[in-house]
Amino acid sequence: EAQVTQNPRYLITVTGKKLTVTCSQNMNHEYMSWYRQDPGLGLRQIYYSMNVEVTDKGDVPEGYKVSRKEKRNFPLILESPSPNQTSLYFCASAVVIGAGELFFGEGSRLTVL
Amino acid sequence: AQSVSQHNHHVILSEAASLELGCNYSYGGTVNLFWYVQYPGQHLQLLLKYFSGDPLVKGIKGFEAEFIKSKFSFNLRKPSVQWSDTAEYFCAVNLYSSASKIIFGSGTRLSIRP
Repeated sequence: EAQVTQNPRYLITVTGKKLTVTCSQNMNHEYMSWYRQDPGLGLRQIYYSMNVEVTDKGDVPEGYKVSRKEKRNFPLILESPSPNQTSLYFCASAVVIGAGELFFGEGSRLTVL
Repeated sequence: AQSVSQHNHHVILSEAASLELGCNYSYGGTVNLFWYVQYPGQHLQLLLKYFSGDPLVKGIKGFEAEFIKSKFSFNLRKPSVQWSDTAEYFCAVNLYSSASKIIFGSGTRLSIRP
């Protein structure tokens, strides 16, 4: 089954404790992206990757890091989480952006205390 | 800066009512347009898309949208809503000149009274 898998789905952590949210897709998509969803603000892009070893900042990259060492994986790293990073995070992938739809993961709800 | 506006933040309708959700974008060039739906507790999924051709596009579950270039709009419609249409709806725009970006609107929450 074609899917984008994120883990963990739910996480409560404390300020400053490094964490990684994993994202994996099994569709051989070139493009992958991370979004955060906050009430009233819709989805805002954090980072995206056009292909392996090619990543770039989206609209709200501060406090986040990513890597794309393999085509299927695109982890999101919060080196020192802060309460303003409490949000719902979605990973998405596409064959190529704009040529078709984005496929989204189930979401990861992160709470930073 | 390019932006996507969804002016209706929360819409409440009764079953069988007609629906129209507004979406406007600010960009003068060629665009690809999308509507995504997020059912409660689920991830976003594509409802319909417009790339070129007939400006009236049909999607899943009886939804349709009309691209009006002169108004920079891509409004979503459904003639008769059902309780199961309760969800959040996001309009999204891909700038044809940008290979990297889809811009999402802030979303419209649709609540259907049974």
